[in-house]
Amino acid sequence: KQEVTQIPAALSVPEGENLVLNCSFTDSAIYNLQWFRQDPGKGLTSLLLIQSSQREQTSGRLNASLDKSSGRSTLYIAASQPGDSATYLCAVAASGGYQKVTFGTGTKLQVIP
Amino acid sequence: DTGVSQDPRHKITKRGQNVTFRCDPISEHNRLYWYRQTLGQGPEFLTYFQNEAQLEKSRLLSDRFSAERPKGSFSTLEIQRTEQGDSAMYLCASSVQGSDGYTFGSGTRLTVV
Repeated sequence: KQEVTQIPAALSVPEGENLVLNCSFTDSAIYNLQWFRQDPGKGLTSLLLIQSSQREQTSGRLNASLDKSSGRSTLYIAASQPGDSATYLCAVAASGGYQKVTFGTGTKLQVIP
Repeated sequence: DTGVSQDPRHKITKRGQNVTFRCDPISEHNRLYWYRQTLGQGPEFLTYFQNEAQLEKSRLLSDRFSAERPKGSFSTLEIQRTEQGDSAMYLCASSVQGSDGYTFGSGTRLTVV
């Protein structure tokens, strides 16, 4: 059974700082890994999707990396802004079947102006 | 078609009442998923449909829960005899077979009083 862990559970940084969110998973047989953002009381917004054959993906100030062999992914946020404040969720899709997705518990980020 | 739609956004119900939620996926998406998210936790898988067939159901879904996807389009999730422990955000997602990544709706927040 896939288990996904995100560290830290919460993070508070001053505006402008670069930061890294961590995700680890126990079963390296994955189809892809997706990072989501969730604002309080809202649904999930997809940020980046990394295929199992890829090492990283970039979108604007966001960069996500994937190391399947070690079961780790990182989400790097450059030059953080108060608008980045949200919970960030890592979701891992299994390689078999219908690519069932398992979520981590999230990292709650607060960027202080 | 701008995304996954969920209705209602919020539902407050008394313990013991039945509730039904609706999800309209992206029209060309043949896969549909329901997840449940409690405060401070990541989403947990409830059930999966491919077209109209319900192919997997989590042990989290007790006999009080039932989901349908008639004609492989919209889906409903019904909870009978609600309990306070059912209070959560119910999230629906859809995807295309052979494609990548989930698209989530905004969720339905259920509060059982």
